[in-house]
Amino acid sequence: QTQLQESGPGLVKPSETLSLTCGVSGYFINSGHFWGWIRQSPAKGLEWMGSISHSGNTYYNPSLKSRVTMSLDTSRNQFSLNLSSVTVADTAVYYCARGISTPSAAGLWGRGTLVTVSS
Amino acid sequence: EIVLTQSPGTLSLSPGERATLSCRASQSVGGNYLAWFQQKPGQAPRLLIYAASSRDGGIPDRFSGSGSGTDFTLTISRLESEDFAVYYCQQYGSTPGTFGQGTRVEIK
Repeated sequence: QTQLQESGPGLVKPSETLSLTCGVSGYFINSGHFWGWIRQSPAKGLEWMGSISHSGNTYYNPSLKSRVTMSLDTSRNQFSLNLSSVTVADTAVYYCARGISTPSAAGLWGRGTLVTVSS
Repeated sequence: EIVLTQSPGTLSLSPGERATLSCRASQSVGGNYLAWFQQKPGQAPRLLIYAASSRDGGIPDRFSGSGSGTDFTLTISRLESEDFAVYYCQQYGSTPGTFGQGTRVEIK
């Protein structure tokens, strides 16, 4: 049974870089599928941030494109999100997810982690 | 990007009643790649329906999805107590993927 688990700091200062990792168990991330990030805040609702394919191709939301980077670490079977120059508007629950059919798909989700941007 | 509009915002129903939720897209959803999710407080969204009408594994058959193009519907044939939650649609036929704002199904 495949499971995903987010990890990373719960508090980030404005202008710094938010970094999260998603550990995957029960499936090798370089075997297939798309591995993505979605965030949820009261102000914006659910927002698809982007994804990375099992072969390393990236797909980013244009609204975040200049600030977001995603990568795979196949040796640890995990993938990562970096979001630079954060502001209070980036405060949200961040979810990692697996999609099967398209880069925007998100069929299986992690439990989510709250990241607060505050000085 | 494709904008998804869900209606109604809130649905007040009693257990055993039928729930009909709507999701309208600003343009045609490619491949009818439209998903429905259920979210309960403090939990991640759970996939119910993908490709507009296919139930994900383990999802009860009281949940059904229909529609194509720009108009999609999630139907819960007979509400059970555990079905009271917020429901979101998502299109994943193009990037960026986009979500609707949600429909809350509450106990009347």
